Amino acid sequence: NAGVMQNPRHLVRRRGQEARLRCSPMKGHSHVYWYRQLPEEGLKFMVYLQKENIIDESGMPKERFSAEFPKEGPSILRIQQVVRGDSAAYFCASSHAVGTSGYGYTFGSGTRLTVV
Amino acid sequence: AQSVTQLDSQVPVFEEAPVELRCNYSSSVSVYLFWYVQYPNQGLQLLLKYLSGSTLVESINGFEAEFNKSQTSFHLRKPSVHISDTAEYFCAVSETSGSRLTFGEGTQLTVNP
Repeated sequence: NAGVMQNPRHLVRRRGQEARLRCSPMKGHSHVYWYRQLPEEGLKFMVYLQKENIIDESGMPKERFSAEFPKEGPSILRIQQVVRGDSAAYFCASSHAVGTSGYGYTFGSGTRLTVV
Repeated sequence: AQSVTQLDSQVPVFEEAPVELRCNYSSSVSVYLFWYVQYPNQGLQLLLKYLSGSTLVESINGFEAEFNKSQTSFHLRKPSVHISDTAEYFCAVSETSGSRLTFGEGTQLTVNP
């Protein structure tokens, strides 16, 4: 029973390129959350998705960032035209039902994005 | 909305010494409280959680935290730390009816020989 799988672990992009981060939730989990950890900071909520639906995207930057969780396949966090300030660790977490925050989410190992 | 304040960004201690990592939260509704640990270049692992009932919760590796509602605190303690406890520790809160976790800024615990 694999945990939350994120890939790639490390991603280097030049300014202006696109970054695509993938997250496969735990088996049986249909809820996915993305968090961003900037250097020397805590994790900040970005977006909460269920299969084919965005439930809460209040933490997403208004431009260049998008997320999806299709019926089949992993959740994708997409960053267009990356800038140096996007350099961070991006973590994905999953749960099997809404309102299960009391059980704590299962986090992936993260994708560390470096924009050069 | 909730907020979490971790009062110390860095805590250096010697091996076998006791340690306390402080966490205060703010919320207008009932909350769940968590401590997560992050080892270098790894994801977050749940250390312990408070949902309800006994205000003192324990982890399997000797950490404990006490929920203090009047002081809105959830401090993490360990009576005797090991080198292997060196990591970043995050306090987090969520509404009991919600799904979003709000994290503190983290406390880097460094255990020296």
